[in-house]
Amino acid sequence: QVQLEQSGAEVKEPGSSVKVSCKASGGSFSSDLFAWVRQAPGQGLEWVGGIIPLFATAHYAQMLQGRVTITADESASTAYLEVTDLQSEDTAVYYCARGTDDSGDYDNYFFAYWGQGTLVTVSS
Amino acid sequence: DIQMTQSPSTLSASVGDRVTITCRASENINNWLAWYQQKPGKAPKVLIYKVSTLQSGVPSRFSGSGSGTEFTLTISSLQPDDFATYYCQQYNSYSTFGQGTKVEIK
Repeated sequence: QVQLEQSGAEVKEPGSSVKVSCKASGGSFSSDLFAWVRQAPGQGLEWVGGIIPLFATAHYAQMLQGRVTITADESASTAYLEVTDLQSEDTAVYYCARGTDDSGDYDNYFFAYWGQGTLVTVSS
Repeated sequence: DIQMTQSPSTLSASVGDRVTITCRASENINNWLAWYQQKPGKAPKVLIYKVSTLQSGVPSRFSGSGSGTEFTLTISSLQPDDFATYYCQQYNSYSTFGQGTKVEIK
């Protein structure tokens, strides 16, 4: 049974950093895509980026490039999202999502499995 | 990045109504399109992928169609459990979500 367990809520000051974790169980960790999707209060879903641990190369949404780092630790079956230089606009629920490879060539993933979400609040 | 535009933003409907939501991509996404349902305080749930393939366990009143840049999600007979927000997602080039369509009770 595929499950994703995320770390707990965080409150951070503007200009600081946050690192959120997503521990996976079931399935094949190294060949699956792990993505991060955020949702600001009352707003829609925004893709932040993703990583396939097998290839260890992350891809990021253009808007957040430079402030976001996604990594994966295969030994711990855990993916991480770090956001630096936090601003109030980064206040959101951050979801970890596990991709299903629809094309079979590591290119096209929809998200059948989601974590419970981690609320990151940026406030002074 | 590929942009996804959904319409309408809000839709008021009654139980039993046929409901259609439209999603337009800024370029051809080669039918790599999924639809999600989200309820308040919960993670999204995938309903349909590859334009029209129903995810396991999803009721058959949900259906998807379209190609190229224009896609639709149809709920054939709206049920009380269907009042929620719906998002389209392109996964042709990384990923982008539409801005969402809230289906509310009329």
